Amino acid sequence: DIQMTQSPSSLSAYVGDRVTITCQASQDISKFLNWYQQKPGKAPKVLIYDASNLDRGVPSRFSGRGSGTDFTLTISSLQPEDIATYYCQHYNNLRQYTFGPGTKLEIK
Amino acid sequence: QVQLVQSGAEVKKPGASVKVSCKASGYPFTNYELSWVRQAPGQGLEWMGWISPHNDSTTYAQNVQGRVTMTTDTSTTTAYLELRGLRSDDTAVYFCARVFSSSWAEFFDCWGQGTLVTVSS
Repeated sequence: DIQMTQSPSSLSAYVGDRVTITCQASQDISKFLNWYQQKPGKAPKVLIYDASNLDRGVPSRFSGRGSGTDFTLTISSLQPEDIATYYCQHYNNLRQYTFGPGTKLEIK
Repeated sequence: QVQLVQSGAEVKKPGASVKVSCKASGYPFTNYELSWVRQAPGQGLEWMGWISPHNDSTTYAQNVQGRVTMTTDTSTTTAYLELRGLRSDDTAVYFCARVFSSSWAEFFDCWGQGTLVTVSS
């Protein structure tokens, strides 16, 4: 089974900072990687699909890059409303899904 | 608009079963698969499986295989998750999520609000 890891597990940054979260797969997953944002007490929301495509309505300060085993989610200028936990998700051709353990983002 | 509305919180004893519902609206119900995801308190997201309302085909995650059944009722556009043999570590918020699937992408594009299931003696 493919394992997903994320780093860091938690992160504290200032408003306006550039923030990068990393997701790593245990083997090559091409670009089959999505990113979700989950605010406290809410359901997750997709931000990025297929590694680098921004979903409709997602602010352009969010971006995703990567392929193979290494992926990043970047927030170009952190805003107070970005406080959340971020999860990467891999999917395969058998319609099986694996989430990363999450990265909790806080404001300094 | 596309909406998934789940049933209310449940409290169950160890060994019991629970059935959570997910009412879909705002789109052709049989055109999209539905996945179930759970989240234990303070923990991450765990995918449990998916069901196709079109033909009732399912795939279950290994960690719940044998204890879980996913079904749909197309007449009421509702999906159901049944989990049997409940244990304390099944205490979690259970989410349903619509699966957007195309030749170029696959992701969960709409989620229910979540249903808290508490397993306690």
